[in-house]
Amino acid sequence: SQQGEEDPQALSIQEGENATMNCSYKTSINNLQWYRQNSGRGLVHLILIRSNEREKHSGRLRVTLDTSKKSSSLLITASRAADTASYFCATEGHLYQLIWGAGTKLIIKP
Amino acid sequence: EPEVTQTPSHQVTQMGQEVILRCVPISNHLYFYWYRQILGQKVEFLVSFYNNEISEKSEIFDDQFSVERPDGSNFTLKIRSTKLEDSAMYFCASRVMASGDEQYFGPGTRLTVT
Repeated sequence: SQQGEEDPQALSIQEGENATMNCSYKTSINNLQWYRQNSGRGLVHLILIRSNEREKHSGRLRVTLDTSKKSSSLLITASRAADTASYFCATEGHLYQLIWGAGTKLIIKP
Repeated sequence: EPEVTQTPSHQVTQMGQEVILRCVPISNHLYFYWYRQILGQKVEFLVSFYNNEISEKSEIFDDQFSVERPDGSNFTLKIRSTKLEDSAMYFCASRVMASGDEQYFGPGTRLTVT
């Protein structure tokens, strides 16, 4: 079954630095999505990138998708303390359900 | 801005009891989902629902689980006889189209089975 797997599992950086998280998956996809989850809270959609797109921007977020390598990256530029959260990638394939990775726990140190 | 709502936010129940988790999807959405997240683990797909029937379900969604859209607004997940391992955060989601766009998630219901 297809799976998104993020790395690193945890990332701790200083405020103002850039944070990069990666996601790999196994099978063909229609799109890949990134979500944020603050501790014990709901899932907030960040960005969706379709299989025919290679890069997408939204504010301080930049997502890339390499379908040949079955991988994606999420870059958060100029990180802020409020960016502290867990970040998940989720892939949508032919079954239309979202298949989730284990997430990257991001800590921004002030 | 329209949002998906879920009630209750936290449900504590004893093993073997039935629970019903409620969701109100966004009003013009046609596709509905339940996911769960056991503490510290990844989010897992349970079931998708369209046109008053289940479209897909995962292996987790066994005979103990059922979903229903009893009226034009609510979407419910019932667990008939809860087990300790059902303790998790349950998320409802909805969207307009079958695929290709964002799924909008509710805030979740934390289910604790004792």
